[in-house]
Amino acid sequence: IELTQSPLSLTLSPGERATLLCRASRSFSDWLAWYQHRPGQSPRLLIFEVSQRADGIPARFSGSGSGTDFTLTINNLEPDDSAVYYCQQRHFWPLTFGGGTRLVI
Amino acid sequence: EVQLVESGGGLVQPGQSLRLSCAASGFTFDDFAMHWVRHLPGKGLEWVAGIGWKSGSIAYGDSVRGRFTISRDNSKRSLYLQMHSLRLDDTARYFCVKDLHATPSYFGSWGQGLQVTVS
Repeated sequence: IELTQSPLSLTLSPGERATLLCRASRSFSDWLAWYQHRPGQSPRLLIFEVSQRADGIPARFSGSGSGTDFTLTINNLEPDDSAVYYCQQRHFWPLTFGGGTRLVI
Repeated sequence: EVQLVESGGGLVQPGQSLRLSCAASGFTFDDFAMHWVRHLPGKGLEWVAGIGWKSGSIAYGDSVRGRFTISRDNSKRSLYLQMHSLRLDDTARYFCVKDLHATPSYFGSWGQGLQVTVS
């Protein structure tokens, strides 16, 4: 299954809202996650099962969607939110990531 | 605190082999699936292989199937990746990753990663 993320890159200001999209080539339900990958660091799980926040992830991060279209929303952007964000599905083998969206604050 | 420490990376020539290891601590290793995920230079993340809590569920990404073998030793709290027939496009930073669950699902905790360069 292919995951297509859009936009490829996004530049926003502190305090604004970011909306990142992930479109799947086949429909599935619930089994999607989002990760944040800052330069020089290891990736971090943000959201799993579409909308469940991982431990320690602030409420500014939220996920939604179903079928083929999924969204990661980041409210009240902070400079530290600058990173590449990936979606990932676990519904089909092999596990796959989207190509990523680069967010610059 | 979950700690995952990878070792065994380095520079190899095309066609050679390499074995990566990951030492885990800070959680009940037997209870979780484990994975190897790589970050390709200038590109994104790619899932390489995953193994369930008792090695009953093993799967590979399309680009490594038949060349790489994932394994685990629960008594040693260790994860391994045996890589054969290495190619230039296997050059990447490889991460040892702890799953959220006992069977492969999501990548909950990540090691620092290590570099594998095929050149």
